[in-house]
Formats: sequence, structure tokens, C-alpha cells
Amino acid sequence: DAGVIQSPRHEVTEMGQEVTLRCKPISGHDYLFWYRQTMMRGLELLIYFNNNVPIDDSGMPEDRFSAKMPNASFSTLKIQPSEPRDSAVYFCASSFTGGYGYTFGSGTRLTVV
Amino acid sequence: QKEVEQNSGPLSVPEGAIASLNCTYSDRVSQSFFWYRQYSGKSPELIMSIYSNGDKEDGRFTAQLNKASQYVSLLIRDSQPSDSATYLCAVGGLTGGGNKLTFGTGTQLKVEL
Repeated sequence: DAGVIQSPRHEVTEMGQEVTLRCKPISGHDYLFWYRQTMMRGLELLIYFNNNVPIDDSGMPEDRFSAKMPNASFSTLKIQPSEPRDSAVYFCASSFTGGYGYTFGSGTRLTVV
Repeated sequence: QKEVEQNSGPLSVPEGAIASLNCTYSDRVSQSFFWYRQYSGKSPELIMSIYSNGDKEDGRFTAQLNKASQYVSLLIRDSQPSDSATYLCAVGGLTGGGNKLTFGTGTQLKVEL
């Protein structure tokens, strides 16, 4: 299996622009998680899905953030409009019922200037 | 709000020594505990999981859990320079795949020649 695949690896954008991050979970995994990592706050859970349904979005910082999972093999995290404080590494992770821990993707490093 | 606390380090140990990494958590109902290793610029990688009080060994790694004291530790025997990384402690309320994990900010380990 290719693991959890995220794109793009790096994104540099100007403040106010829309940013879309993409994730393909491991085939057969029914849970998908979006995390954000910064030096100051570490890894923070933004939202997670089970069988494509959002279960908990309490970590989404503001209405500027939204996430979708239209099917079992694809999810997006969108920021509109982006701000410099959104600069971080965004990780997608997946797991399956009966499993343990997560498998993380390689992350997207977002820089908003 | 669940909290997971780790000493940020860096923790420096000589090659061949035992490295001891510690973690405390605030939520008494936590059921699952994980250690992830993260190399600089890379994604977290699961190295150990533990669910019951006591020790769990896997190769050079031993995870220790004391739920009464709300304390988790990771011992790395015969430390190697390749063990130099940041180690993240993660705590979950469940034992299954849909486990919403709270991460500590990590301890940086440096293994010196």
C-alpha cells in the first residue's frame, strides 16, 4: 500500500487566498483525521471522519476552515480566506475500526505570506 | 480539555545508554497510549502502543504505563544516533480505530557519539 497520500507537499500563498489541501487515506481505513502542527501548539486535531461522515469538528479554529470527504478515498481541507497565522504543517492520518494508532501522511507545509 | 504533558528537552544521552522519556496526562478515563517518533521534517511514525498497566517491550523499546499516577514512559535501550528524533506521547479515550488522540508537544532526543 502507498500509505496516506497528501498533496501538495508545500504551499505558499498570499493572505486572503483560498487554499485546498488534499488527502487520500489508506484503502480500507474507515477513519480519517486532519491535524495541524506548529512549534508552539504541537499537533492539534482539527476534524475527523468515520465512513466519510464528519464526527467531530470542534478543533476547527474558525469558519474560514472547512473539510469534506466526498468518498472513502478522498478528503479536502479548505481555508478561505487564508491568514499568516494559518502557517503550519497540516497532516492527514487514517485508521480502521479494530486497529490502533494512526498512519500519518507526509504532510503539507503551508506558508501564508 | 484533555492535556498531555512532556518535557520538551532536548534530552541528550550517549550512544549505548538508556534513554527515558516521560509523559503525564490529565484525563483519568484515557484508555490507550501511544508513542510516535518524528524525525525533523517528517511525519509522526507509530512505534509503541500500550493499554494496560505495566510494561510492554518491543525490541529496544519498552513502554510503561501507570494509570493511577497518569504516567506513561518510553525507554530506549542501547540508544543509537538514528534514535535522535522528537518523541510524541499520544493519549486516547478509546481502544479502537476511531480513537481521537491528544498529543503532547514532544521531547527531543539527541543520541551523541
